[in-house]
Amino acid sequence: DAGVIQSPRHEVTEMGQEVTLRCKPISGHDYLFWYRQTMMRGLELLIYFNNNVPIDDSGMPEDRFSAKMPNASFSTLKIQPSEPRDSAVYFCASSLLAGPYNEQFFGPGTRLTVL
Amino acid sequence: DAKTTQPTSMDCAEGRAANLPCNHSTISGNEYVYWYRQIHSQGPQYIIHGLKNNETNEMASLIITEDRKSSTLILPHATLRDTAVYYCIVRVGNAGNMLTFGGGTRLMVKP
Repeated sequence: DAGVIQSPRHEVTEMGQEVTLRCKPISGHDYLFWYRQTMMRGLELLIYFNNNVPIDDSGMPEDRFSAKMPNASFSTLKIQPSEPRDSAVYFCASSLLAGPYNEQFFGPGTRLTVL
Repeated sequence: DAKTTQPTSMDCAEGRAANLPCNHSTISGNEYVYWYRQIHSQGPQYIIHGLKNNETNEMASLIITEDRKSSTLILPHATLRDTAVYYCIVRVGNAGNMLTFGGGTRLMVKP
């Protein structure tokens, strides 16, 4: 398997524009997670899905952020409108099982810069 | 989930063992200890986890004290490629797979 795939790897946009980040989890994994990493706040969980259903979105910073998982092999994280403070690296991760052994496999991340 | 405390940074000589400590004095009985690491510009990578007993895999060993209030991740023969930020995470075993990352320890392996 190719691992978790994220696109684009880098995104530069201007304030006010819509940004869509994409993630393809590892085939067969039941859980999908979106994280954000900044120097100030470190790694933060934004939202996660189980079997395509959002389970906990308490980490989503505000209504400008939305995430969807239309099927088991694809998820999007959308920011509309984007702001400079959204600049960060966004990671997608997936895992196979609940329970104590729940290794999460992370993608390479999308580095977002909002000017 | 229990809070963890790790040193901000550590150095280790290449080829020597790297011992990374983690304090989790408020850990409860059903919480596991997980270790992940993040190499520069990459996503985090799972290393190992444990509940009570010491654990070993191909990457590292995890030593958990008898009272479970602290643990140590051991990289037996550190290489330059082990330079990374190491995160100690404590969480309930079946809590929807959520991971809460703290600041971690920045390990620098030097030649």
